[in-house]
Amino acid sequence: DAGVIQSPRHEVTEMGQEVTLRCKPISGHNSLFWYRQTMMRGLELLIYFNNNVPIDDSGMPEDRFSAKMPNASFSTLKIQPSEPRDSAVYFCASSSQGISSGNTIYFGEGSWLTVV
Amino acid sequence: GQQVMQIPQYQHVQEGEDFTTYCNSSTTLSNIQWYKQRPGGHPVFLIQLVKSGEVKKQKRLTFQFGEAKKNSSLHITATQTTDVGTYFCAAPRGGATNKLIFGTGTLLAVQP
Repeated sequence: DAGVIQSPRHEVTEMGQEVTLRCKPISGHNSLFWYRQTMMRGLELLIYFNNNVPIDDSGMPEDRFSAKMPNASFSTLKIQPSEPRDSAVYFCASSSQGISSGNTIYFGEGSWLTVV
Repeated sequence: GQQVMQIPQYQHVQEGEDFTTYCNSSTTLSNIQWYKQRPGGHPVFLIQLVKSGEVKKQKRLTFQFGEAKKNSSLHITATQTTDVGTYFCAAPRGGATNKLIFGTGTLLAVQP
């Protein structure tokens, strides 16, 4: 089975531009997570969805960030307008059931974003 | 809020030496998971511990969950260059939640 698929793998964009990151979770998984990783802040949970519904977006840095999950097989994370401090690796991950129930999450390979 | 701290942040060992990373929480955890991230890669699940005092082994890796379920450790015996990477512990934020909070990670460097 295919793992979590993310695109693009790498993106370099200019400050002020809109960035859209895409994710296809593992088929059958009903939880989807967006994480951001930087040297300074480590792995931060930005938002997660259960059954396509956003459950907790308290980790989203500010209004410039938005995430959607229109169906069970697709999610987007959008940054508009982008700023240099948004440069990071953005990971999408999915899980079959609740983390608290003991299920693990599977990460995609990440989208490496550089904003210049 | 719940925090998961790991120590050390970085460790450099000679190949063949042992390595241990520790994870500590301010609150009781329902379970704890360990992940490994190779340089340039993504976190990959290693193991999950659920029971108080639980010990699990995977070849040269030994994982422990504290009796109070507030701390955990990962010990690698006789490190190899393939062990290089960052090791993260992760735990659900309190309650029935899907929020998996990752520790700060320990970067392991192994010199051949």
